[in-house]
Amino acid sequence: GAVVSQHPSWVICKSGTSVKIECRSLDFQATTMFWYRQFPKQSLMLMATSNEGSKATYEQGVEKDKFLINHASLTLSTLTVTSAHPEDSSFYICSARRQVSQPQHFGDGTRLSIL
Amino acid sequence: RKEVEQDPGPFNVPEGATVAFNCTYSNSASQSFFWYRQDCRKEPKLLMSVYSSGNEDGRFTAQLNRASQYISLLIRDSKLSDSATYLCVVIADGSSNTGKLIFGQGTTLQVKP
Repeated sequence: GAVVSQHPSWVICKSGTSVKIECRSLDFQATTMFWYRQFPKQSLMLMATSNEGSKATYEQGVEKDKFLINHASLTLSTLTVTSAHPEDSSFYICSARRQVSQPQHFGDGTRLSIL
Repeated sequence: RKEVEQDPGPFNVPEGATVAFNCTYSNSASQSFFWYRQDCRKEPKLLMSVYSSGNEDGRFTAQLNRASQYISLLIRDSKLSDSATYLCVVIADGSSNTGKLIFGQGTTLQVKP
C-alpha cells in the first residue's frame, strides 16, 4: 500500500490563484521530504528539500517566494504555489524516505493546470 | 554532460522478449543506485535497488559496474504490463546526507502482443 499520500491529485484554477499541495508520510516519520516537478516527456526535477522544523533548501533557479514550503510536522510537508500562472502548470510530486540511505517513496503526484 | 544518462528509447519488443536498459552516471563518488518505474501520468514507483553484487527480483535483474560507472536492468519474459518508463536514479555521495536523487531521463518500453 501507499506509504506517501499526496493531495489533491488534480487542480484546475485561474491564473493568480495560490494552490496548496499536501504530502504526508503515512506510516513513518520523515524529517526530510522532497518536492519535484515534471514537465511532459522530461525527467523529474528536484525543486526543494523540505526539512522538518527548519527552512527548505531550494535548488538553483527555483524561486522560494513563489514556491512556499512548510514542513511543520514529521509526517506533513506542504507546497504552496503562490499566484500561479499558466507556466506553473506541471506535475508536482513529493517524496519521503525512512532513512537517509533508503530509497524514496513518492506520492501520487498533483497535476496542476492553470488557465 | 548529464549526471545520469539513459537512452530514452522507445524500446518496442514483443511479449516474451528479453530487454536490457543501460544507464551511466558521471559522479564516481555515487553510492546508492535504484531503478524506478513510471507509468504515464503517474508517480515513480521503486522497482529495485541496485547493489554491487548484482541483484535479481523475479524477471528483473540489476547490475552495477562501478569501474565503468554503469548500471543495467534486464527484463526477461516481457509482459504487456511491463510497458512503462524506467528511470535510473542515483544518490551522489555529496548529497547522501540529504538523500537527494538524481534522475535519468528515463527509458520507455513498449511491449507488444
